[in-house]
Amino acid sequence: AQSVTQPDIHITVSEGASLELRCNYSYGATPYLFWYVQSPGQGLQLLLKYFSGDTLVQGIKGFEAEFKRSQSSFNLRKPSVHWSDAAEYFCAVAPDSNYQLIWGAGTKLIIKP
Amino acid sequence: DVKVTQSSRYLVKRTGEKVFLECVQDMDHENMFWYRQDPGLGLRLIYFSYDVKMKEKGDIPEGYSVSREKKERFSLILESASTNQTSMYLCASSFTGRNYGYTFGSGTRLTVV
Repeated sequence: AQSVTQPDIHITVSEGASLELRCNYSYGATPYLFWYVQSPGQGLQLLLKYFSGDTLVQGIKGFEAEFKRSQSSFNLRKPSVHWSDAAEYFCAVAPDSNYQLIWGAGTKLIIKP
Repeated sequence: DVKVTQSSRYLVKRTGEKVFLECVQDMDHENMFWYRQDPGLGLRLIYFSYDVKMKEKGDIPEGYSVSREKKERFSLILESASTNQTSMYLCASSFTGRNYGYTFGSGTRLTVV
């Protein structure tokens, strides 16, 4: 069965430091992968998505993610975090069915001043 | 700006009341979804709809029903609200196809007392 694993429930990073949030998926074919961000008390916003082609994808707010098929991973990165990046981040995969996403459990990002 | 609108940001209801949560999208999306989000449990799918008057149960449909009489509107109904239905409710919509991802509303924080 398809699944998405975000191994870190919480991550704490100092403001200005680099960030990497991990996402591993279990899926047999070419995955369609997404990262979403949820600010406190808000809905989810799409950061970026990967379907094919260049394995390094750029998103909004200065985020990028790299697809690594050999590791079944789609990790989210940012070179320098800002206090406004404090939020919960969700990884998702679109399997064979054409409209349902499978979600990771989320990683809460805490920014230290 | 395209969007998904949830009728209430905060709602307080009494145990046993019938509760309606409304969601409207202006993107002509075929698919609409209702999730609930609780700390530590991530996003859990309650119901979804892939067409007008069509509905499918998600992972946790018990105690809920839905209605989709028009393409743009998807209502979640709590037939008899209970305290364990206190949660954040998120509505989302999408086109059919693996590459589209979802657009989310801002959420409704429901408290049942």
